Amino acid sequence: ETGVTQTPRHLVMGMTNKKSLKCEQHLGHNAMYWYKQSAKKPLELMFVYNFKEQTENNSVPSRFSPECPNSSHLFLHLHTLQPEDSALYLCASSLPGGGGNEQFFGPGTRLTVL
Amino acid sequence: GQNIDQPTEMTATEGAIVQINCTYQTSGFNGLFWYQQHAGEAPTFLSYNVLDGLEEKGRFSSFLSRSKGYSYLLLKELQMKDSASYLCAVQDSNYQLIWGAGTKLIIKP
Repeated sequence: ETGVTQTPRHLVMGMTNKKSLKCEQHLGHNAMYWYKQSAKKPLELMFVYNFKEQTENNSVPSRFSPECPNSSHLFLHLHTLQPEDSALYLCASSLPGGGGNEQFFGPGTRLTVL
Repeated sequence: GQNIDQPTEMTATEGAIVQINCTYQTSGFNGLFWYQQHAGEAPTFLSYNVLDGLEEKGRFSSFLSRSKGYSYLLLKELQMKDSASYLCAVQDSNYQLIWGAGTKLIIKP
């Protein structure tokens, strides 16, 4: 247990569905992150939130919409996804992103888009 | 562009020593992290280097040479539970992590 939880752990959805991924951290951190992990590829940073404010959007398609209502919760809203969006989506948290502040990861949501 | 290179896969024997290399080219440098990721699980922090030299932590050590853009993770007295992927990540000038694709380490009895 890393102190970061994600739900659901597995999700299968069609291209026309709308779903949301949830992340919660119990570590008192103020920075939260969404990553995409595809097989044999580097982790791709999608979004960063610091103190509930989005500070990074790495050219992510608008079919992915993040929401950070408070420093403990992070959502990723999904709509009209494509099969190539199938991947493991990881949430992480840390103290504000400077120096050697390690990121703590959740177990991820394995997403399959049909 | 920014680039992190590490071997895709390595195999080692239980009880032996293995060294996993990582080379990087990034816009700025604010430290290098190593993470371990078991199949189907979250990455977990192993080490952080920001100054040149060797950092030892039990069976695991991590080395950094900033002038060469090079790091390695050294695992001693390998155990079967060390079978995992090892991810190298560099913190760039904006303090964002740039990740390598990971090295899958297979331990054989």
